Amino acid sequence: QKEVEQNSGPLSVPEGAIASLNCTYSDRGSQSFFWYRQYSGKSPELIMSIYSNGDKEDGRFTAQLNKASQYVSLLIRDSQPSDSATYLCAVNQNYGQNFVFGPGTRLSVLP
Amino acid sequence: DGGITQSPKYLFRKEGQNVTLSCEQNLNHDAMYWYRQDPGQGLRLIYYSQIVNDFQKGDIAEGYSVSREKKESFPLTVTSAQKNPTAFYLCASSGGARGYGYTFGSGTRLTVV
Repeated sequence: QKEVEQNSGPLSVPEGAIASLNCTYSDRGSQSFFWYRQYSGKSPELIMSIYSNGDKEDGRFTAQLNKASQYVSLLIRDSQPSDSATYLCAVNQNYGQNFVFGPGTRLSVLP
Repeated sequence: DGGITQSPKYLFRKEGQNVTLSCEQNLNHDAMYWYRQDPGQGLRLIYYSQIVNDFQKGDIAEGYSVSREKKESFPLTVTSAQKNPTAFYLCASSGGARGYGYTFGSGTRLTVV
């Protein structure tokens, strides 16, 4: 059974702080990992992808992957109220075309 | 601009009625997907297609049907056999190597009246 788990939240952080979102997955064969942001009533949009162990930075976002621990995280630096959304973790096994999504973590950035 | 277009944005279904949700992409992606999202929940895979004239059931295919007659189009029919169809439906496509991420359409919100 492929599973992707996330804390549902809400995770509340003050404006300017670092938000840390976590995701664990059960399938050790998973090869690629994605973070999507979904605003209420809207469709998900891809914000980060990561394939190798370590950190990947893109602007205020940093994705971290640890395949040994089956753990992927997303850090958002200098959080803004506009970052308030649900963040979905998605995992892809063996470069196949299908993804398994986590339930999402709702982030609230307080002004 | 390339992208995925879903229509309609809102759809109302009467009991016992079949309805079809449209999904069109101009990204030249081979793979297309339909997901269902219920309030406060994650995405659940209904059907997917990796090539024209071929499609596979996802985790919750019962009460749904699809076709893939053209690369650009992947319509979803919600049949009367789907007893709880009220949800947000998302179409996605994927192309490229190495498990490239999905591109999503804007979604269709279906409500049973």
